[in-house]
Amino acid sequence: KAGVTQTPRYLIKTRGQQVTLSCSPISGHRSVSWYQQTPGQGLQFLFEYFSETQRNKGNFPGRFSGRQFSNSRSEMNVSTLELGDSALYLCASSLGTSGDTDTQYFGPGTRLTVL
Amino acid sequence: GEDVEQSLFLSVREGDSSVINCTYTDSSSTYLYWYKQEPGAGLQLLTYIFSNMDMKQDQRLTVLLNKKDKHLSLRIADTQTGDSAIYFCAESKVGGYNKLIFGAGTRLAVHP
Repeated sequence: KAGVTQTPRYLIKTRGQQVTLSCSPISGHRSVSWYQQTPGQGLQFLFEYFSETQRNKGNFPGRFSGRQFSNSRSEMNVSTLELGDSALYLCASSLGTSGDTDTQYFGPGTRLTVL
Repeated sequence: GEDVEQSLFLSVREGDSSVINCTYTDSSSTYLYWYKQEPGAGLQLLTYIFSNMDMKQDQRLTVLLNKKDKHLSLRIADTQTGDSAIYFCAESKVGGYNKLIFGAGTRLAVHP
């Protein structure tokens, strides 16, 4: 079974631009979560989607948004990029049917650099 | 509150056992996880333990959970150079809808 895939793997943007990252979950998984990883703040939860609905959200500004499609693929968008948005963005998928928590499998991440 | 703490660095000799420690503060945790991250890569799930268990063994990996002290440990037997990586402890909570709270990670260095 193929793992979680994320595209693109690397991105370079300038301040003020916006960016869209994509995540394809493991086949059969309906939950997709997004995390930001930086050297200073570590791994932080952004949001989680299940059946096209956002079920949980972390403490990030409204510039960070996401969505999920009917095939469970998910995108996250960051508008008006700031230098501090430079990070590794990780996506994780799980079955999502427990309604509580279940084992999550991570993709390789998208490395975003904001200049 | 939400807080997961780990020591930042561990150095061991090849063939020895490694023990990576983690403490968490939220008593409503449901699952506790160990993930491994190699340079330039995503997170690889190593193992997990449900919060009503005390121990779980999976090949070279042993997870111990002390609920009273909110202490979690990962023991890697016969540590190899390929085990060199950053190890993250993470917890999930009741009603958390897959939100994982991670520690800062422990960098394991294995030397000959």
